[in-house]
Amino acid sequence: EAGVTQFPSHSVIEKGQTVTLRCDPISGHDNLYWYRRVMGKEIKFLLHFVKESKQDESGMPNNRFLAERTGGTYSTLKVQPAELEDSGVYFCASSQDGTGVEKLFFGSGTQLSVL
Amino acid sequence: ILNVEQSPQSLHVQEGDSTNFTCSFPSSNFYALHWYRWETAKSPEALFVMTLNGDEKKKGRISATLNTKEGYSYLYIKGSQPEDSATYLCASSSGTGGFKTIFGAGTRLFVKA
Repeated sequence: EAGVTQFPSHSVIEKGQTVTLRCDPISGHDNLYWYRRVMGKEIKFLLHFVKESKQDESGMPNNRFLAERTGGTYSTLKVQPAELEDSGVYFCASSQDGTGVEKLFFGSGTQLSVL
Repeated sequence: ILNVEQSPQSLHVQEGDSTNFTCSFPSSNFYALHWYRWETAKSPEALFVMTLNGDEKKKGRISATLNTKEGYSYLYIKGSQPEDSATYLCASSSGTGGFKTIFGAGTRLFVKA
């Protein structure tokens, strides 16, 4: 069974540019989460999809971030325009039931560097 | 505001040493406490999920305990090996109605051969 995959693994862009990150969850997992880790700090929650619906987007930092999950399958996270403080590792995770007591399956992350 | 705190931030040990880390979390509206192991450039991997006060879980040389009344969990590694070098992440799931899983900053373990 394929795990959670994220693309690209690394992205280096200039301030003001646009970047789109993609996440393919484990097949059959309705719950998809985006997290971000700034170096040395905690992994911060961004948002939670249940199928194609946004269950909780309280962690999205501002309106420069747009997440979509078309058809309840893969998800994209677009940052437009990117700022220096957006640099970090963006993780995607998925789970089947979304109960909070089940483990999350993580992708290996996208390292975003905004110069 | 939920806050998960982990200590120490980093730890250097010799091969064969036993070690432990601490995770503290808000005890109100608690659902579950998670431990993940994360090697750089790889996916964080779940070690344990614990829900009940007094829970103890073990996986090989790694074990964890949970105290939900006082809001802390310990992760123990017995006889550390170089391959145990990684960041160990603690996360607390809590909330009313729905839930949210909040992560700590992790403890970075370096095991020297």
